[in-house]
Amino acid sequence: DGGITQSPKYLFRKEGQNVTLSCEQNLNHDAMYWYRQDPGQGLRLIYYSQIVNDFQKGDIAEGYSVSREKKESFPLTVTSAQKNPTAFYLCASKGSYSYEQYFGPGTRLTVT
Amino acid sequence: GQNIDQPTEMTATEGAIVQINCTYQTSGFNGLFWYQQHAGEAPTFLSYNVLDGLEEKGRFSSFLSRSKGYSYLLLKELQMKDSASYLCAVYPGGYNKLIFGAGTRLAVHP
Repeated sequence: DGGITQSPKYLFRKEGQNVTLSCEQNLNHDAMYWYRQDPGQGLRLIYYSQIVNDFQKGDIAEGYSVSREKKESFPLTVTSAQKNPTAFYLCASKGSYSYEQYFGPGTRLTVT
Repeated sequence: GQNIDQPTEMTATEGAIVQINCTYQTSGFNGLFWYQQHAGEAPTFLSYNVLDGLEEKGRFSSFLSRSKGYSYLLLKELQMKDSASYLCAVYPGGYNKLIFGAGTRLAVHP
């Protein structure tokens, strides 16, 4: 079955710790995206990558970092510099000749 | 700047019809999406409009007017399971960055 997986679904961390959220896809898509969603707000783009070993900042990249060493994987690290990291994080991917972004199930991160 | 506006909340009755509006002001336009999102879940694709007019898919229809920067999603024969948030999103140029509205939370009552 083709799709996007994100794990874990719920993640709890203490303030001051870095945490890495995983995103894996087996759709053979070139482009991958990370979004953040807060209550009552739309999705905001954190980082995106159009090809392996390349990525660009989105609208709210401060306090986050990513890597794209493999086509299938696009992990997101939430660093201690992110002032308000508690949120729902969504990963998406898109094929080169398609317009539609496919979303993973999301990870809800809670930092206390 | 880029801006997408949708009503925050709407309520409707089971079996009725509801129209969710979306207006956008973006630097360019390469298409508009509607996604459905149940609480705590991933958005799922409903429709994509790039040309003016109405696209119908079963109980859901989506309309676009590029000259007015306006779209709506029409849901017919509402069911309880249609209670969800509906997100409007636009490609402002190219097919890389999608701009999302804040979403419209629809509550369907018996």
